[in-house]
Amino acid sequence: GENVEQHPSTLSVQEGDSAVIKCTYSDSASNYFPWYKQELGKRPQLIIDIRSNVGEKKDQRIAVTLNKTAKHFSLHITETQPEDSAVYFCAPEGGNNDMRFGAGTRLTVKP
Amino acid sequence: EAQVTQNPRYLITVTGKKLTVTCSQNMNHEYMSWYRQDPGLGLRQIYYSMNVEVTDKGDVPEGYKVSRKEKRNFPLILESPSPNQTSLYFCASSLVGGAIYGYTFGSGTRLTVV
Repeated sequence: GENVEQHPSTLSVQEGDSAVIKCTYSDSASNYFPWYKQELGKRPQLIIDIRSNVGEKKDQRIAVTLNKTAKHFSLHITETQPEDSAVYFCAPEGGNNDMRFGAGTRLTVKP
Repeated sequence: EAQVTQNPRYLITVTGKKLTVTCSQNMNHEYMSWYRQDPGLGLRQIYYSMNVEVTDKGDVPEGYKVSRKEKRNFPLILESPSPNQTSLYFCASSLVGGAIYGYTFGSGTRLTVV
C-alpha cells in the first residue's frame, strides 16, 4: 500500500511569513494529490489539489507543487494569516480506489 | 446546500451496546467512506463503498459493519462497541471512487465508549 509521510509535523510561523509543508509518497502510479485543512473541532476540507499532468497549481495565497520523479508534493502558503492556523493533511491517491492520509502538520501562525 | 450529514455529533455509550452512526449525502456521489481520527494517527479508513451494494474493508475494519442499500446513505454499525473504539469518526463522499476527486466530509461524530 501507499506510504505517506508529511514534514514537518508542527510548524510555527510569524504572520506574513510563508509556510511550506512537504508530503512524500511511495506509489509511483499515484495521479491525484490533494491537500486538506482541518481547523480545530471541524471537518477536513479540501483546499487545493493537483493531478500528475501538472507541476504546479496556485489559488490566491496557496499553491501546490508536484515532483513525480522524486515522489513528493508540497503545500505553499504565502502571506500567512492567523486563520491559516490548522492541521493540514496530504492525501495522495494510494491505489485500491482510495487515498492515504498523511499524519498531518499542525501550523500555527503567530500574530 | 451540498453536504454530508452525520448523526449524532456526540455519543456516549456503554461497552457492548449496539449503535449506528448515520451518514447521508445529497450530491449523488457514488463513493462513500468512513474514517476514524485518533491523536497522532491521522485519518484511518474503516470501510468504503464504490456504489450501491458494493462495500469493502479499509485499513481498520475490525469491530465495524456498514451497508449501502441506497446511494445517499452509508451507516456505520458497531455491533458490540468497546473502549478502543472511542474516537472521532468522519464520513466522506466523492463523485466517484478511484481517488480522482476530492472528498467532502461530514461534521464528525465523537464517540465515547465506557
